[in-house]
Amino acid sequence: KAGVTQTPRYLIKTRGQQVTLSCSPISGHRSVSWYQQTPGQGLQFLFEYFSETQRNKGNFPGRFSGRQFSNSRSEMNVSTLELGDSALYLCASSSGGWANVLTFGAGSRLTVL
Amino acid sequence: SQQGEEDPQALSIQEGENATMNCSYKTSINNLQWYRQNSGRGLVHLILIRSNEREKHSGRLRVTLDTSKKSSSLLITASRAADTASYFCATDAGGGADGLTFGKGTHLIIQP
Repeated sequence: KAGVTQTPRYLIKTRGQQVTLSCSPISGHRSVSWYQQTPGQGLQFLFEYFSETQRNKGNFPGRFSGRQFSNSRSEMNVSTLELGDSALYLCASSSGGWANVLTFGAGSRLTVL
Repeated sequence: SQQGEEDPQALSIQEGENATMNCSYKTSINNLQWYRQNSGRGLVHLILIRSNEREKHSGRLRVTLDTSKKSSSLLITASRAADTASYFCATDAGGGADGLTFGKGTHLIIQP
């Protein structure tokens, strides 16, 4: 059974650019969540999608957006990049059941110069 | 904002010793989970304990939960070098719609 796949694994952007990160969940999982991990703030919840609908959103500015497709694959976009957006972006999928156990991808490490 | 706070922030022990990490949280929870993260990689789910459970075991892992004190502990027995990682507790307020809230983690180093 394939795990959660995130692409790209590493990327470097400059301030003001935008970036799109992709996540393919485990087959059959309908929930996809995104987290930002930085040394200073730790793991912070960005948003969660379930059956193409955003179910919840963390406390991030509108520059951070996402979407989920009918095959449950998800993308997140960050526009007008800032230096502080440098982070490891983690995607996780779950079946959406009560337990909310997450299976994480390896992450996309974004560096903003 | 972080819900869980792990203690200690870092822990270094000798291989074969037991490692104990603690987690405190602030609000009512549906369940509490522990995850492991190896350097710069994704997190791996270790164990889940429901709010009505007090203790749970899985292999060399033992988790306790005290909802009256809003705290949990993770015990790793007979530690191995491969246990070197960061460990995070994550709380779920219930319903699955609010996502998990993670603490900042305990960095565990097992000295050979």
